[in-house]
Amino acid sequence: QKEVEQDPGPLSVPEGAIVSLNCTYSNSAFQYFMWYRQYSRKGPELLMYTYSSGNKEDGRFTAQVDKSSKYISLFIRDSQPSDSATYLCAMSRMDSSYKLIFGSGTRLLVRP
Amino acid sequence: DTGVSQDPRHKITKRGQNVTFRCDPISEHNRLYWYRQTLGQGPEFLTYFQNEAQLEKSRLLSDRFSAERPKGSFSTLEIQRTEQGDSAMYLCASSSYDQETQYFGPGTRLLVL
Repeated sequence: QKEVEQDPGPLSVPEGAIVSLNCTYSNSAFQYFMWYRQYSRKGPELLMYTYSSGNKEDGRFTAQVDKSSKYISLFIRDSQPSDSATYLCAMSRMDSSYKLIFGSGTRLLVRP
Repeated sequence: DTGVSQDPRHKITKRGQNVTFRCDPISEHNRLYWYRQTLGQGPEFLTYFQNEAQLEKSRLLSDRFSAERPKGSFSTLEIQRTEQGDSAMYLCASSSYDQETQYFGPGTRLLVL
C-alpha cells in the first residue's frame, strides 16, 4: 500500500464548476501538506501549503487538512479551462528531511 | 530570482552511456532535492542536500547514480551505464532553511534507447 493515495482520474468538469480533489495517507507523522499543479511536460508548481489540520484559502483555491481522518482536499471554485492540469498532493515531516511524498496525481479537464 | 533551472531539458541516450544533469537552485536556498517522475506517477524522492552535504539517499538511488553539490550551490546528478528503466523526468527542487515548501525546476526528460 502506498503512503499517499490519490485517485488518478481523469476528472472532467464544465467550466465554472466547483472541483474537489482528495488524497488519503497512512502515516500520521506527516505535518506539512501541499498541493502542486503540473502541466504536461512541466515541473510541478506549488499551489497551496498547509501546516497540520485546518483550512487555507487563496483566491479560487481552498485547501483542507483533516489529520484525524488522514484526509486532505483541494477545492477549486469557478474552474477555468486553464486549470486543466494534473494536481499532485504532497506531504512531508520535519524529522525526514522534509522530503516530499507525493500522490500519483489527478488529471483534471475543465471543458469550455 | 529566476527560479530553479535545470539543464538539459531533454536528453536522449543509448543504453550503457553515462549522462549528467545539472540543477541551479534558487539563490540562497540551502536545501536541494532530486526526484524522479515516471509517466502517470507522482515524483519520487532520490536524494537531499543541505548546503554541500548529501544527507539522505533513497533506496531508489542505485550505485549507478551519484549526486554532488560542490560549494553548496548547483548540483549534478550522474547516471552511469544507463538502462531503459532509467527513462523518466528528473526533477530538482530547492527550499530555504526556514521553509517547508519546495520549488521545482522544469525537469530533465531522459529517454534511454
